[in-house]
Amino acid sequence: QQQVKQSPQSLIVQKGGISIINCAYENTAFDYFPWYQQFPGKGPALLIAIRPDVSEKKEGRFTISFNKSAKQFSLHIMDSQPGDSATYFCAAKTSYDKVIFGPGTSLSVIP
Amino acid sequence: ETGVTQSPTHLIKTRGQQVTLRCSSQSGHNTVSWYQQALGQGPQFIFQYYREEENGRGNFPPRFSGLQFPNYSSELNVNALELDDSALYLCASSLSNSYSGNTIYFGEGSWLTVV
Repeated sequence: QQQVKQSPQSLIVQKGGISIINCAYENTAFDYFPWYQQFPGKGPALLIAIRPDVSEKKEGRFTISFNKSAKQFSLHIMDSQPGDSATYFCAAKTSYDKVIFGPGTSLSVIP
Repeated sequence: ETGVTQSPTHLIKTRGQQVTLRCSSQSGHNTVSWYQQALGQGPQFIFQYYREEENGRGNFPPRFSGLQFPNYSSELNVNALELDDSALYLCASSLSNSYSGNTIYFGEGSWLTVV
């Protein structure tokens, strides 16, 4: 029940296209859902985050869509750029508890 | 730049040896946690310290231990190293763990190879 599922495992998108990564969770106690971006050789960096009382959050080219009833959330990267090529992790958290990470999606944006 | 610094960045150890990894958290952050990230996987929670006390532990054996110091810096110690301990070890700090939305900042990690 503590698991966060993520798909696809890898994704190839052309420059300018939309990248979509999907995640699902079971534990309804989760109340914070961050997305992390990780470049090779670096630690994960917070990209954008959402709470379950909000259905959508947008920051620049990055948008999280959240469906509380389905216990699903997704990351959309608009106008994808080669510099977006990285591994993306969805995650979930409650207060006083650890971050549960999904298995990650390796995104490659080709020119 | 997250303000979380880890050392060493890379190290190689022999099976059965012991290793200590160090972390300096962001200024003012009293909560530090450690994660293990195997190649191609998401980070897995090892344990968390709040004001020098361990207050959460993941599914890792007791040979994984830690400390948090009064200045909130931290150590991860691993005894009796096994080949499967080869991974990136990430330290993360946050202002406190009482609010789930407090941003958690990760260091760049320590790459441990056990041969």
